Amino acid sequence: DTEVTQTPKHLVMGMTNKKSLKCEQHMGHRAMYWYKQKAKKPPELMFVYSYEKLSINESVPSRFSPECPNSSLLNLHLHALQPEDSALYLCASSQGDLGADTQYFGPGTRLTVL
Amino acid sequence: GQQLNQSPQSMFIQEGEDVSMNCTSSSIFNTWLWYKQDPGEGPVLLIALYKAGELTSNGRLTAQFGITRKDSFLNISASIPSDVGIYFCAGLTSGSRLTFGEGTQLTVNP
Repeated sequence: DTEVTQTPKHLVMGMTNKKSLKCEQHMGHRAMYWYKQKAKKPPELMFVYSYEKLSINESVPSRFSPECPNSSLLNLHLHALQPEDSALYLCASSQGDLGADTQYFGPGTRLTVL
Repeated sequence: GQQLNQSPQSMFIQEGEDVSMNCTSSSIFNTWLWYKQDPGEGPVLLIALYKAGELTSNGRLTAQFGITRKDSFLNISASIPSDVGIYFCAGLTSGSRLTFGEGTQLTVNP
């Protein structure tokens, strides 16, 4: 089973709202990732958690706040977003450390900021 | 940083035709991955290549890890309408981020 799940599938929020994106994997993977993807472009890395610790933050604005409650779950908390933050947000996981193993992606959350 | 040059950028083909796309880099990678992405969905892993020179098939798909470790190609034989989508190559090196190509947009006309 190589399944990564994400909720919600779609999210519309205003610039003053607070919302969270959720990601879950049950493959025993130890690295989890958040990516942002604009239309017809490749995914852009935002954050990496390795063994439940934040190992990489790609200079992402503080209005995006990641959280890894346990080895199977990854959250992305959103607050005071801008319309340009509208995108497909992808979660991924891999068995080991960054760069060591194949990454498997979830179906994504389509975020629209009004 | 590392960059991947993926070509072609887009392809328009007739159903039944074969397709070929490739990625090249100035950097060496330890792993090459090929993903397919449908609109509004996440990338789905098609083939993973772990060894230079490796040739791997997955149904109608065949991919190869270049002997120099700086390139890879993906072939699709006898294309069907559901092959439509964006295909991304990606290179992986230990301790480094996944590096994506810019994608190949495939359109298959019935």
